[in-house]
Amino acid sequence: SYELTQPPSVSVSPGQTVNISCSGDKLGGKYACWYQQKPGQSPVLVIYQDSKRPSGIPERFSGSNSGNTATLTISGTQAMDEADYYCQAWDSSTHNFVFGTGTKVTVL
Amino acid sequence: EVQLVESGGGLTQPGGSLRLSCAASGFIFSSYEMNWVRQAPGKGLEWVSYISSSASTIYYADSVKGRFTISRDNAKNSLYLQMNSLRDEDTAVYYCARTLLRAFDYWGQGTLVTVSS
Repeated sequence: SYELTQPPSVSVSPGQTVNISCSGDKLGGKYACWYQQKPGQSPVLVIYQDSKRPSGIPERFSGSNSGNTATLTISGTQAMDEADYYCQAWDSSTHNFVFGTGTKVTVL
Repeated sequence: EVQLVESGGGLTQPGGSLRLSCAASGFIFSSYEMNWVRQAPGKGLEWVSYISSSASTIYYADSVKGRFTISRDNAKNSLYLQMNSLRDEDTAVYYCARTLLRAFDYWGQGTLVTVSS
C-alpha cells in the first residue's frame, strides 16, 4: 500500500520559517494537499493541488511538490500556527486516499 | 455556509453494529463526492471510505472492506456509514468530509465511536 512519511515533530521560533516534508514514492506525480489540526478540533485544509490556498487561508502558508517529496512552508510563523499538520494524496492504483503520519509543529 | 453534522456514534461491544449519519447543508449535496475519515484517540488521520456524487462509485480502505458500507440519500442531503462486526481498533472519532479536487475541503465536527466490552 502507498505510504506518506512525515517527521514526527518540528519546532520554530515566532516569525521564522518552517518547512514540513512529506515523502512518498513518486509523490511529485500526484497532487498533494495539507491539513492543519489543532487540539480538539476538526482538520482544516490549508493547501490543495500542491500549492493552492483555499479561501481564508493566510498567505504565509505555501506548498510545493516534486520528485518524492511535498513540502508545506509556513513563513513568518505565528503562535496560532502551533498544531498538527498532515499531508494527503490520492493513490489511483489502489483507489485510496492516503494521509501522512503527521507532524506536530511547536512554536517556541 | 457549508455545514456537516455527524451523529450516531456511541459505545458498542466488539462484534456490534452502528450506523453513522452526516447531515449536509449550505451547498448542493448531490454535486459533491463525500468521504468518511477517522482518527483513533491520540493517533493520526485514516481515510475510511469514498462515495461519488451519484453513488455509482464507492471505495473502502482495506481495514474496513467487507464490514462497513457507505451510502447517501441526495434527497435528504445525508451521508451514511453502516458499521458491522466492529472491533476494538475501530474506536475513533469519525468525520464526514466533502471532496473537492481530491482534497477534503470541509469537515464535520466528528462523532465518537467506542468499541469495548
